[in-house]
Amino acid sequence: GDSVTQMEGPVTLSEEAFLTINCTYTATGYPSLFWYVQYPGEGLQLLLKATKADDKGSNKGFEATYRKETTSFHLEKGSVQVSDSAVYFCALTSFSGGYNKLIFGAGTRLAVHP
Amino acid sequence: EAGVAQSPRYKIIEKRQSVAFWCNPISGHATLYWYQQILGQGPKLLIQFQNNGVVDDSQLPKDRFSAERLKGVDSTLKIQPAKLEDSAVYLCASSLSPDYYEQYFGPGTRLTVT
Repeated sequence: GDSVTQMEGPVTLSEEAFLTINCTYTATGYPSLFWYVQYPGEGLQLLLKATKADDKGSNKGFEATYRKETTSFHLEKGSVQVSDSAVYFCALTSFSGGYNKLIFGAGTRLAVHP
Repeated sequence: EAGVAQSPRYKIIEKRQSVAFWCNPISGHATLYWYQQILGQGPKLLIQFQNNGVVDDSQLPKDRFSAERLKGVDSTLKIQPAKLEDSAVYLCASSLSPDYYEQYFGPGTRLTVT
């Protein structure tokens, strides 16, 4: 079945460092790809999305490009802040039984220190 | 716009006891989801409702879990009897329609079974 694999955390960075969180996927068909973020004590929030190959999703300084040839959707940010500390989930939509279903990776915890 | 509301936020019970979680989705959202998020894993879909009908409950352990969505608005998820492996965060999410990609998540209920 469809699945998402993320790099294991935690990822620990200093403020203003460059961030990459790797995400690869396995899917039949043409899924849409997402990054969700979960701040401490809060629910998941959609961070960015890409719906077709070569699309680039971006939001709040984060970017990810839908790479069909490498089945990847890596999350990047040029300069992280302490406020970016959170758990990041890569996800895809899997069409099944007439409905779209979100399938999540295991999550990657990011800790940014001053 | 009010977000997805869930209660309680935390619950501790002994194994073999029963427990119920409540979710109030965003007004006007026809589709409601319950996810189970075990520590260190991504959310896993348990059940999906379209209005007050079930469209996907393939991952719901039906011998002990049940869910309902009366009048197509609020929903409750029940576990009876609970097992140690049910310790997890239970997330509720809603979206405008089942083929709309963006889901809005509540803060979750953290269940500990001792």
